[in-house]
Amino acid sequence: LAKTTQPISMDSYEGQEVNITCSHNNIATNDYITWYQQFPSQGPRFIIQGYKTKVTNEVASLFIPADRKSSTLSLPRVSLSDTAVYYCLVGRYNTDKLIFGTGTRLQVFP
Amino acid sequence: KAGVTQTPRYLIKTRGQQVTLSCSPISGHRSVSWYQQTPGQGLQFLFEYFSETQRNKGNFPGRFSGRQFSNSRSEMNVSTLELGDSALYLCASSLAFQGKDTQYFGPGTRLTVL
Repeated sequence: LAKTTQPISMDSYEGQEVNITCSHNNIATNDYITWYQQFPSQGPRFIIQGYKTKVTNEVASLFIPADRKSSTLSLPRVSLSDTAVYYCLVGRYNTDKLIFGTGTRLQVFP
Repeated sequence: KAGVTQTPRYLIKTRGQQVTLSCSPISGHRSVSWYQQTPGQGLQFLFEYFSETQRNKGNFPGRFSGRQFSNSRSEMNVSTLELGDSALYLCASSLAFQGKDTQYFGPGTRLTVL
């Protein structure tokens, strides 16, 4: 599985857009990029998954450049409830185990 | 559709005891994976089951074992509990064993070993 690197923490204010970038220089051709959100003492929650270009759903957007060596999770207009740890994962999950890095701890202030 | 459920949600045991945790996957999901999460080590993979067979295993001692039933429900057992086994144990399910299927996590079982 490709190793990922994310910022350890980020701070934001309510209503702002937050962009969290993940580096995955060794991503393989068949690898997908997935982001999870985790609140304390809860299981990670799937946010979004993509392979290339841009993916958007009701909660976030995922931007993946052509070389796929990085990806950016974009959270529009964050609220206090978006305070959580965000994990970026790369791989083909069911042919290998999921490897979670340290994640990015996002703190949203009023 | 109901999500992944785990029972019990909280558990307190003493050293040397054994514990069994249960996981019911999302209906139709056949793959179940288990993870241990601690403040010091983060989220670590334990093992994965598909069609009642263990397909992948993480780097944990043999005290940690699991099984999967024909209805895809899974149990995880930890024998001879140690203080360091205190953690949040997470179960995740997905549709199939191979491919890009997303894993969906349950709420976890918080195990405290005294």
